[in-house]
Amino acid sequence: EIVMTQSPITLSVSPGERATLSCRASQSISSNLAWYQQKPGQAPRLLIYGASTRATGIPARFSGSGSGTEFTLTISSLQSEDFAVYYCQQYNNWRITFGQGTRLEIK
Amino acid sequence: QVQLVESGGGVVQPGRSLRLSCAASGFTFSNHNMHWVRQAPGSGLEWVAVISYDGFNKYYADSMNGRFLISRDNSNNSLHLQMNNLRTEDTALYYCAREGYGGNSGTDYWGQGTLVTVSS
Repeated sequence: EIVMTQSPITLSVSPGERATLSCRASQSISSNLAWYQQKPGQAPRLLIYGASTRATGIPARFSGSGSGTEFTLTISSLQSEDFAVYYCQQYNNWRITFGQGTRLEIK
Repeated sequence: QVQLVESGGGVVQPGRSLRLSCAASGFTFSNHNMHWVRQAPGSGLEWVAVISYDGFNKYYADSMNGRFLISRDNSNNSLHLQMNNLRTEDTALYYCAREGYGGNSGTDYWGQGTLVTVSS
């Protein structure tokens, strides 16, 4: 099983500032990584796939980077609606796995 | 538009069985691998199982210990999860999720989930 480790667990950032979330894979997953946003009471929403491609309708302030084992999700100029939990997911093989999540909270 | 609607959740005693369903619409169901993902209360996302677009390949998370069975009916655009010998730790919101076409974009659409509560 590929283990995904996210950091930090909680990130406190002020609106308008930049947030940087990290995700590490226990083995190389090439660029087979996605990022999801989940708000309370809602299903996860796909933000980024292929490590750096924004999904349909996702604002340009969301960007992803990385390959192999190290990945980053950057949210530039945080908006109020961006405060949520973010998960990374690897889909390098049939058995997909998720990171434990990063809670992005208002500072 | 793509829609995934789960059903079949409820309260069940430990050791009993439950069958979840997911009705798909708005896309060509038979072109996509499909997943079940669960989320225990206050916890993160846990992958449960996947079935290939044609139903021939099925994989499960080790933690399911052979108690779960995923299936699909492409003629009815439906996905199922048979859960046997349920345990209290299986209590969670169960989501069905579509894998992007070609498997290159993760799980791009999710249902709203169906809640399973295992309790005596």
